[in-house]
Amino acid sequence: LAKTTQPISMDSYEGQEVNITCSHNNIATNDYITWYQQFPSQGPRFIIQGYKTKVTNEVASLFIPADRKSSTLSLPRVSLSDTAVYYCLVGAGLDTGRRALTFGSGTRLQVQP
Amino acid sequence: DGGITQSPKYLFRKEGQNVTLSCEQNLNHDAMYWYRQDPGQGLRLIYYSQIVNDFQKGDIAEGYSVSREKKESFPLTVTSAQKNPTAFYLCASSIVPRLQRPTNEKLFFGSGTQLSVL
Repeated sequence: LAKTTQPISMDSYEGQEVNITCSHNNIATNDYITWYQQFPSQGPRFIIQGYKTKVTNEVASLFIPADRKSSTLSLPRVSLSDTAVYYCLVGAGLDTGRRALTFGSGTRLQVQP
Repeated sequence: DGGITQSPKYLFRKEGQNVTLSCEQNLNHDAMYWYRQDPGQGLRLIYYSQIVNDFQKGDIAEGYSVSREKKESFPLTVTSAQKNPTAFYLCASSIVPRLQRPTNEKLFFGSGTQLSVL
C-alpha cells in the first residue's frame, strides 16, 4: 500500500491561499490521489481527485508532478469554514490484489480571522 | 436521497457487553469499510468488504467482528474482547472498479457513531 506523509498542522488567515503537500513515494501505477476534508464529529467528505498534472474544481486545485511521488492540494482564498482536517489518500490499486484504503494522520488546518 | 446511514449516533457499552453498530447504504456500492477514529487522530481501518459474504481484516481488527449478508448492510460488532472501545466509528462505501485501469475510487462516509464505555 502507498503510504502518505503530510504536515501535522498548518495555520492561515482568511483570504489567503493554502497549499498542503502530501508525499507518496511508493504510489502504484493504477492509483489515483484523492483528498478528503473532515470537520469534527463528522465523516470525511470528498474534495478532489486526480491522476496526473492538474485538476481543478469549484473548491480546490490538485497539482501532481510527473513522477507522481507527491501532490499538493491548493485551497484559494480560505475562510473560517475551511478550518478542518485534510487527508491525502492513495488507493491500493488493482495490481496489488487488495483494496484497503488507508488514511494517514491528516493535516489540521486552522484559519484565523 | 442516496447515501450511507449509521446508527445509532451515540452508543454506550457496559463492561463485558457486545454492541453492534449499524451501517446501511443505498448507493449500490460493492465495497464497504469500517474505520475507527480516536480523538485528534486519523482514521484506522478495522474491516473491509469488497463483495457480499466476504470481508477482510484491516489494521486493527482484534476485538471486532463484521458480517456482509446483504450488499446494503455491513454491521460492526464491538466485542467484550475490545478493551478500549471508546472512539468515533465511521462506515464508508465505494464502487469497486472492474477493469484494469487507474482506480478512481471515491469513498462515501456516514455521519459516524460515538461509542463510549459506561
